[in-house]
This record gives sequence, C-alpha cells and structure tokens, in this order.
Amino acid sequence: GQSLEQPSEVTAVEGAIVQINCTYQTSGFYGLSWYQQHDGGAPTFLSYNGLDGLEETGRFSSFLSRSDSYGYLLLQELQMKDSASYFCADRDDKIIFGKGTRLHILP
Amino acid sequence: EAQVTQNPRYLITVTGKKLTVTCSQNMNHEYMSWYRQDPGLGLRQIYYSMNVEVTDKGDVPEGYKVSRKEKRNFPLILESPSPNQTSLYFCATRGATEAFFGQGTRLTVV
Repeated sequence: GQSLEQPSEVTAVEGAIVQINCTYQTSGFYGLSWYQQHDGGAPTFLSYNGLDGLEETGRFSSFLSRSDSYGYLLLQELQMKDSASYFCADRDDKIIFGKGTRLHILP
Repeated sequence: EAQVTQNPRYLITVTGKKLTVTCSQNMNHEYMSWYRQDPGLGLRQIYYSMNVEVTDKGDVPEGYKVSRKEKRNFPLILESPSPNQTSLYFCATRGATEAFFGQGTRLTVV
C-alpha cells in the first residue's frame, strides 16, 4: 500500500532552524508536496519537489531524494506564526497525505 | 480569485438524517477529492474524482456517496449519518502540483 511517514511532533526555539522528515512508500510516485495547516484552518500548499534536490521558497526549503524515498521540509528563522501542523503528500492520482507533524515553537 | 467553496461550514445533525455537503471550485480543475480529518489520523481520503462522471473510492469510503455531474461541483452525501462520522471534512481540487482546499465543514452527528 501507499504510505508516508513523518514524526508526530517536533519542538524548536524561535529563530532556530527545524527539519521535518518524510519517508514514503508509494507506487507510481510523481513527487512530494508539503502543506501547512494552522489550528481550525485548511491545509495550504508550501512547496513541491518533482525532481531530486532542494527547492527554496523564502524561509522554507524542501528536499527530495527518490533513491532514498525520503524528503524533508526545512524551516529557517522560525517565527511563532510557524506553529502549525505540516503534512507531506504524494502527488499521485489519489494525493495521499502523511499523518502530519505538529510543530511547537518555544519563545 | 481561485476558490474552493464548501457549505455548510458547521453542521449538527441527528443519526440517520440524510445530509449533503456541497463543494464547488472555480479553477476548472478536473480532479476533486474529499477528506476527513480526525485527531492523530491526519487527512484520510474518502472519495476522489478524476473527471466528470468518474469517481473512485479513497481509503475510508464506507457510509459516504459522491457524484460528479459537472466539473465544478463535487457534493458529499451521507445517506444515514452515524456518530462515527463526526469529523472535520475538506474538499480539495488539484492543479499541476498544488492542491487547493475548501474552508472545511465541521460535522457533528448526535
């Protein structure tokens, strides 16, 4: 079956850097997406990796290694507003999501 | 503005009373999908549709129905809701790489 595994919780300090990992087992893999969801809100798109390597968008970067079936989301210069849940997702026909990583940020 | 619109946002209903949650998108996307979100379980796919008149089961389809008679609309139907369908529901559509979500519908079945 298809599955994406990510840690359930991560804690970091304001201003620091945090990495959220995602390993996947899927058939017909197209690429890896990342979404952010604040409490009570809808998921919003952050980034997509269709090819191996690093994609950078401001303070957020995402990485993919197809040979390792692994990716990560890197958040730099953490701000309190980054406290949210982060989901990796496989962009195939069904769009399967990981269970999400809750990011706690300490002042 | 690109939008996915769900209605209602909140709904409390009683066991067995049929209900429909509507979803509409203005992006002319072929793909639409329904998810439910429960604490600790993430987003689980209920049904998805690759195009008009084409629908497929996701991971948790039991107790739900969908229809896709036109590209912009993808309603979710609960013929006989039960308390275990109390959840937060999201409709989504997908472009080339990015999924767009509706605002969510918080359903409580008592």
